[in-house]
Amino acid sequence: AQTVTQSQPEMSVQEAETVTLSCTYDTSESDYYLFWYKQPPSRQMILVIRQEAYKQQNATENRFSVNFQKAAKSFSLKISDSQLGDAAMYFCAYRNLTQGGSEKLVFGKGTKLTVNP
Amino acid sequence: NAGVTQTPKFQVLKTGQSMTLQCAQDMNHEYMSWYRQDPGMGLRLIHYSVGAGITDQGEVPNGYNVSRSTTEDFPLRLLSAAPSQTSVYFCASSYGWGTGELFFGEGSRLTVL
Repeated sequence: AQTVTQSQPEMSVQEAETVTLSCTYDTSESDYYLFWYKQPPSRQMILVIRQEAYKQQNATENRFSVNFQKAAKSFSLKISDSQLGDAAMYFCAYRNLTQGGSEKLVFGKGTKLTVNP
Repeated sequence: NAGVTQTPKFQVLKTGQSMTLQCAQDMNHEYMSWYRQDPGMGLRLIHYSVGAGITDQGEVPNGYNVSRSTTEDFPLRLLSAAPSQTSVYFCASSYGWGTGELFFGEGSRLTVL
């Protein structure tokens, strides 16, 4: 079974600085998706960024970018120019491509990010 | 757009009581699922459905029941609530066969005394 590990339960960053959240995963599959979801205090889960394993280029979404290292099974999230609104729980998630219509995601345990003014 | 709607948002139950968490989506998504979120545990899959009439178990299905009679609705039933079921529950949906992006409801906080 696939597993997702987030080794940093909590992280903090100064406003306007850059922070990197770590994620590693374990799988024997070659094709899959990886995601970062954000959960602010409102509880609503919001997709931050998505990476397809077959793409070598790292995904970027405005201030959010990933460092995808397929051989190392590592998928870190970099937040540049951190803002107070970035404070949230961040979850790394994995999905197989061979699940026949099922969008089952396996989540890590999350990293709580605090942004200090 | 309503998206994924969960009700109720908060509920307190006594041990042994039953209840249903409702989930409805208006995006014509084939895939729907229920997760529970516990402190330090992340989100764990309870049950999921790939279309009307089709359901399957996830990682932690014991004590929960689901059915999918329509594309829009996917209720989660607690048959006999236990304190171990105290959690925040999320319903999520997606198109299926797609890029894996799940659209989440706002969550339902359940406390079992």
